[in-house]
Amino acid sequence: KAGVTQTPRYLIKTRGQQVTLSCSPISGHRSVSWYQQTPGQGLQFLFEYFSETQRNKGNFPGRFSGRQFSNSRSEMNVSTLELGDSALYLCASSTAGTAGNTIYFGEGSWLTVV
Amino acid sequence: KQEVTQIPAALSVPEGENLVLNCSFTDSAIYNLQWFRQDPGKGLTSLLLIQSSQREQTSGRLNASLDKSSGRSTLYIAASQPGDSATYLCAGLYGGSQGNLIFGKGTKLSVKP
Repeated sequence: KAGVTQTPRYLIKTRGQQVTLSCSPISGHRSVSWYQQTPGQGLQFLFEYFSETQRNKGNFPGRFSGRQFSNSRSEMNVSTLELGDSALYLCASSTAGTAGNTIYFGEGSWLTVV
Repeated sequence: KQEVTQIPAALSVPEGENLVLNCSFTDSAIYNLQWFRQDPGKGLTSLLLIQSSQREQTSGRLNASLDKSSGRSTLYIAASQPGDSATYLCAGLYGGSQGNLIFGKGTKLSVKP
């Protein structure tokens, strides 16, 4: 059974540009969530999608957005990149996103903003 | 504000030692508590999930406990091995969905041969 797949794994962008990251959840999983990990702040929740609907959103500016497709694949977009957006972006999936479900993480996308 | 704290930030032990990692949380209205392992440059691997109604969970050499009243969870690793070296993170789930996972900043464990 394939795990959570994130692409691209590594990317470098320039300040002011935008970036789109992709996440393919484990087959059958309908909940996809995104997290940002930095050395200073640790892991912070960005948003969660379930059946193409955003169910929860963390405290990030509107430059961070996401969506989920009918096949449960998800994308997140960051517009007008800032140096502080440099981080590891992790995607996670679970069957229904409820308290009893184990959550599975992908390997992450390393974003460097220069 | 819901916060999860892990102390110490780093721990070094000799191989074969039993050890305990600590996690504390400020809000006892927790749905579950999960422990993850993260290897350098990698994503997170789920180790154990304890529901709020449970007291502990075990998997192999790992045992995790949850005490909601004191706001604490511990991860016990028996007979540590160099392959256990990694960063261990705990996360509390608040609210009904996975989206409210609040993470600690982790304990970086080094097991010396």
